[in-house]
Amino acid sequence: TQLLEQSPQFLSIQEGENLTVYCNSSSVFSSLQWYRQEPGEGPVLLVTVVTGGEVKKLKRLTFQFGDARKDSSLHITAAQPGDTGLYLCAGVFRASNYQLIWGAGTKLIIKP
Amino acid sequence: ETGVTQTPRHLVMGMTNKKSLKCEQHLGHNAMYWYKQSAKKPLELMFVYSLEERVENNSVPSRFSPECPNSSHLFLHLHTLQPEDSALYLCASSQDIRTNTGELFFGEGSRLTVL
Repeated sequence: TQLLEQSPQFLSIQEGENLTVYCNSSSVFSSLQWYRQEPGEGPVLLVTVVTGGEVKKLKRLTFQFGDARKDSSLHITAAQPGDTGLYLCAGVFRASNYQLIWGAGTKLIIKP
Repeated sequence: ETGVTQTPRHLVMGMTNKKSLKCEQHLGHNAMYWYKQSAKKPLELMFVYSLEERVENNSVPSRFSPECPNSSHLFLHLHTLQPEDSALYLCASSQDIRTNTGELFFGEGSRLTVL
């Protein structure tokens, strides 16, 4: 069974600080998605990465896919209270019949 | 507004009650999903429907019974639930069943509390 490990589980920082959260697996992903879930809402897709070493930017968010496609990171620059939420990574492994395998998430709180 | 609507948003039920969760998608997608979300745990895939046919049932107890009358509607019928079934139940849809790179569109969820 493929597992995704997300770290840290919880992070609380001040507005303006930078942060990085991680998503790791012992297996190779076919692709990986990052979602953000705000309180009282469902998850919303932020980005999909497919190619090893790929870097994608979404305003102050930078997503990186590891060269070996076993890990990914999300870096937020100058965090703002609007970034508060649960960040979920979800990966596709060939052996999972192309269904998404989810991590448990990183709960991020940005204090004003 | 994601195009996926779930009702009710909150539900409290006793262990002997029968209730249903409803999901409707306005995106023209062919695949619909039920997920269970519990605190500090990964999303658990419960059921997958593709073009109204169930294609996945991840060993979900029979007290959860899905129904997909058409490609836009999905129900989750609940009966004789246990307190450990209390969770956020999320409905999602995607263009097709292969989510290799495709996006899942989620509803806002139905928060279920079983007393």
